[in-house]
Amino acid sequence: DIQMTQSPPSLSASVGDRVTITCRASEAIRNSLTWFQQKPGKVPKLLIFASSKLEAGVPSRFRGSGSGTYYTLTITGLQPEDFATYYCQQYSSIPITFGQGTRLEIK
Amino acid sequence: EVQLVESGGDLVQPGGSLRLSCEASGFPFNTYWMTWVRQAPGKGLEWVANIREDGHETSYLDSVEGRFTASRDNDKNSLYLYMTRLTVEDTAVYYCTRGDRILDHWGQGSLVAVSS
Repeated sequence: DIQMTQSPPSLSASVGDRVTITCRASEAIRNSLTWFQQKPGKVPKLLIFASSKLEAGVPSRFRGSGSGTYYTLTITGLQPEDFATYYCQQYSSIPITFGQGTRLEIK
Repeated sequence: EVQLVESGGDLVQPGGSLRLSCEASGFPFNTYWMTWVRQAPGKGLEWVANIREDGHETSYLDSVEGRFTASRDNDKNSLYLYMTRLTVEDTAVYYCTRGDRILDHWGQGSLVAVSS
């Protein structure tokens, strides 16, 4: 199984800040990576697929990048509604596996 | 509008069985793989199983292989997860999701609580 190591586990930031969350795969996943946002008590929401493609309706302040085993999610100009937990997920091989999550909190 | 509505979650004793259902609407159900993902209380996301469009191919998480069975009825636009020999480690919200790799739509989830 491919292990996904996400960091940091938690992050404090202010509105307007730029933050970066990283996800490292235990083997190359050929950009087969998605990012999800989950707010407390809510359903995960797909933000980015294929490492860098924005899902329809997702604001352009979200940006995904990476290759091989190393991927990042950058949010530029944090908005109040962005404070949530973020998960990466690889779909290069079954079983699909998720990172442990990064909780983004308001500073 | 794509909608996925799960049902069937309940409190069950260890060793018990339960069947979850997911009713889909707003898209051609019989042309999509479907996937079950679970989330234990306060924990992260965990892939559980998927099923091909025609229902003839499935894959399972190792820890549920042989205990869980995914199935579907395309005439009813419905997805199912039959769970047997449940353990406390199976306690989670179970989500029905569309897709086999990119999970672009999720149901609201159904809580399965395994406890004596």
